[in-house]
Amino acid sequence: EVQVVESGGGLVQPGGSLRLSCAASGFTFSDYWMHWVRQAPGKGLVWVSFINKDGSRTDYADSVKGRFTISRDNAKNTLFLQMNDLRADDSAVYYCSTLTTTTAYWGQGAQVTVSS
Amino acid sequence: QAVVTQEPSLTVSPGGTVTLTCGSSTGAVASHHYPYWFQQKPGQAPRTLIYDISGKQSWTPARFSGSLLGGKAALTLSGAQPEDEADYYCLLFYSDVRVFGGGTKLTVL
Repeated sequence: EVQVVESGGGLVQPGGSLRLSCAASGFTFSDYWMHWVRQAPGKGLVWVSFINKDGSRTDYADSVKGRFTISRDNAKNTLFLQMNDLRADDSAVYYCSTLTTTTAYWGQGAQVTVSS
Repeated sequence: QAVVTQEPSLTVSPGGTVTLTCGSSTGAVASHHYPYWFQQKPGQAPRTLIYDISGKQSWTPARFSGSLLGGKAALTLSGAQPEDEADYYCLLFYSDVRVFGGGTKLTVL
């Protein structure tokens, strides 16, 4: 059974940092590009970042470029999102997903709240 | 970055048919955009309904179908059920980047 479980969310002050993790199982993690997607309260889904299979290529939405870093550990089947210099408008549920041409596995998401 | 557009809201009668559309600011939606459709209910994670224009997941009800229509991706619901009331998001591929539409709130009333 495919499982994608995000963790590491929480409450952080503006300017602070947080590291999200996404543990994958039930599929060959190292065969998949991986993505982070976020959803602010009452708003739509927004693509945040991707990383290729071996971690050599990444890209980011303009809104997070220079502040967020995506990475992965294929030995541990885990995806990460390091979030620095957090702002109030980064508050959202963060999902990791495969988003390939034929497969979109989703986790239940990790809540990130940026507030003083 | 490209902008993907969807109807903000639509209403369909129980048993009725409705088509949701997904357009691209860069031009006609085509096969290389690999259109996806996701359903999301309050408090839940998105659930994949359609991939690659018209591919269905094992759990996708037969009443949902995907297509390309008039330069847009389309999701057609034939025989709407009360449980189909939800937000629907399309996703388009722009090379390595993914862009979501703003979502359509579908009411079954």
